[in-house]
Amino acid sequence: TQLLEQSPQFLSIQEGENLTVYCNSSSVFSSLQWYRQEPGEGPVLLVTVVTGGEVKKLKRLTFQFGDARKDSSLHITAAQPGDTGLYLCAGEGSNDYKLSFGAGTTVTVRA
Amino acid sequence: DAGVTQSPTHLIKTRGQHVTLRCSPISGHKSVSWYQQVLGQGPQFIFQYYEKEERGRGNFPDRFSARQFPNYSSELNVNALLLGDSALYLCASSLMGITLSSYEQYFGPGTRLTVT
Repeated sequence: TQLLEQSPQFLSIQEGENLTVYCNSSSVFSSLQWYRQEPGEGPVLLVTVVTGGEVKKLKRLTFQFGDARKDSSLHITAAQPGDTGLYLCAGEGSNDYKLSFGAGTTVTVRA
Repeated sequence: DAGVTQSPTHLIKTRGQHVTLRCSPISGHKSVSWYQQVLGQGPQFIFQYYEKEERGRGNFPDRFSARQFPNYSSELNVNALLLGDSALYLCASSLMGITLSSYEQYFGPGTRLTVT
């Protein structure tokens, strides 16, 4: 079972549209990381959020950490085909450094 | 700079056999973690090593073992392979320094293990 629940599981949109992916948990995390993974490759780190309520922007990607540090969202503006991939959120525990991953959201951006 | 490297990239084994997977961390990184990713799921934590000592273990049977060498590279061993062990095995390294960002984990490309 996954400690982190991601929604939706699949998302298919047209190029230029916006999308939001959600990551929710009943546990509090010391930090939360977002990764993007392409088929046959390892996850690539996009961002780490640490402070409750924190918002980070990475070009067209906006990441938000919930006030209680239990949930997060990833918003992509004007999606491009290059944004296609599996988006994973991962929470780091307060007493250890292992990552607990969600099952991921598969995003497909059609040209 | 080279990222995390893993070998082999693909492996096919038969039930009951054992397998050894290898990982070299990013230069300067002292911690290595191993994850198993089954198709359609997120990675599941198996082990974490820091300075050659095991710092954490996930919910995996004793058939799974690992070690870290003085050069910080690592091996994951799996004995008595089962069909359900078929997965992508990922290695991640982190610096484990004094700053918060030094705990970020960077993943290798993985080893695809198929058990028949």
